[in-house]
Amino acid sequence: NAGVTQTPKFQVLKTGQSMTLQCAQDMNHEYMSWYRQDPGMGLRLIHYSVGAGITDQGEVPNGYNVSRSTTEDFPLRLLSAAPSQTSVYFCASSSHLDRAYGYTFGSGTRLTVV
Amino acid sequence: DAKTTQPNSMESNEEEPVHLPCNHSTISGTDYIHWYRQLPSQGPEYVIHGLTSNVNNRMASLAIAEDRKSSTLILHRATLRDAAVYYCILRDGSSASKIIFGSGTRLSIRP
Repeated sequence: NAGVTQTPKFQVLKTGQSMTLQCAQDMNHEYMSWYRQDPGMGLRLIHYSVGAGITDQGEVPNGYNVSRSTTEDFPLRLLSAAPSQTSVYFCASSSHLDRAYGYTFGSGTRLTVV
Repeated sequence: DAKTTQPNSMESNEEEPVHLPCNHSTISGTDYIHWYRQLPSQGPEYVIHGLTSNVNNRMASLAIAEDRKSSTLILHRATLRDAAVYYCILRDGSSASKIIFGSGTRLSIRP
């Protein structure tokens, strides 16, 4: 199994540009989440989803949109990039059938906004 | 969301056991205790979880206090590859739930 796949691994954007960070999982997990991690800091939850068609806001949702049209994919859209969104972005997924078990994380997308 | 409290940093010697503490005094009856670790330049990885009883797996052991208000992650024989940030997290097992990360404990291993 590939697990959680994030693309791209690196991206440089100019202020005001928009882009979509891709996240796909092949484990048939219902739960998916997006986190950001600023240098030297912990992870902060941006948006999460408990199933196809269902999304909700996390701790720091402003400036980001998500949608969940399929179980496998959970893209994160930056509407108008700002330097404050320079960060490493992690996608994660978890099983719905056994909520005790942990999340599987992707390897991250390192985003720089100039 | 119930919160956890961990020391900011800890140091240990290679090949010695490491005990990483976590306080979660507001834990509810349906909260599972999860531990993750994040190696440098990598995403977090799941380590272990438990509800009431102590748990062992190939990576670590989890000791849970009888009142469940604290827990300890035990690395039985630390290696240099165990240097990472360790996060203790509570996850509600009774409902669709997100997980919120705290600041974790940065573990350094001395050769």
